[in-house]
Amino acid sequence: GAGVSQSPSNKVTEKGKDVELRCDPISGHTALYWYRQSLGQGLEFLIYFQGNSAPDKSGLPSDRFSAERTGGSVSTLTIQRTQQEDSAVYLCASSRDSSSYNEQFFGPGTRLTVL
Amino acid sequence: GEDVEQSLFLSVREGDSSVINCTYTDSSSTYLYWYKQEPGAGLQLLTYIFSNMDMKQDQRLTVLLNKKDKHLSLRIADTQTGDSAIYFCAEIDLGGSYIPTFGRGTSLIVHP
Repeated sequence: GAGVSQSPSNKVTEKGKDVELRCDPISGHTALYWYRQSLGQGLEFLIYFQGNSAPDKSGLPSDRFSAERTGGSVSTLTIQRTQQEDSAVYLCASSRDSSSYNEQFFGPGTRLTVL
Repeated sequence: GEDVEQSLFLSVREGDSSVINCTYTDSSSTYLYWYKQEPGAGLQLLTYIFSNMDMKQDQRLTVLLNKKDKHLSLRIADTQTGDSAIYFCAEIDLGGSYIPTFGRGTSLIVHP
């Protein structure tokens, strides 16, 4: 079956531009997570959606970052006025729900380069 | 908050055993996970253990949990070049949010 997909796979942008990153979770998965992976760093949690509940935005590093999840499925992470320090791989993951076991299925990521 | 620590690099010879270590700070009931990330790919769950267990074995993988020392290890028997990847330790605190905390990852290099 289809896994988690992300697009684009690579994005190069100029400093100050806005970017949108897309995540298509596994069908039927109610939980969706965005992470950022910088070189030499672990996964930095950004935002978490669970069903129709208000998202947990506690990991967003600044108000330039926002995310939406439409219809409980596709999610878009938007970074406004990109900065060079935003360069990283952005990973999306989904899970069936937020039950205790909670295996996460990851997409391949979007590599963002801000020039 | 929770913190998960791992060593950054491990180099082993093909056919030897690899042991990747992780320490965590959370003291309540928790699930602990090992994920594998191959180059250019997302993370893939390898195995997990609940905090009321001491050991879990799955083919070449053995997970050991020392709750007293809050130490988790992943042993890979008969390591192959295809095992070269980054291995992430992660935990979820069942008394908190269902947002896992990941370590920085251990790069495993397997050489002939």
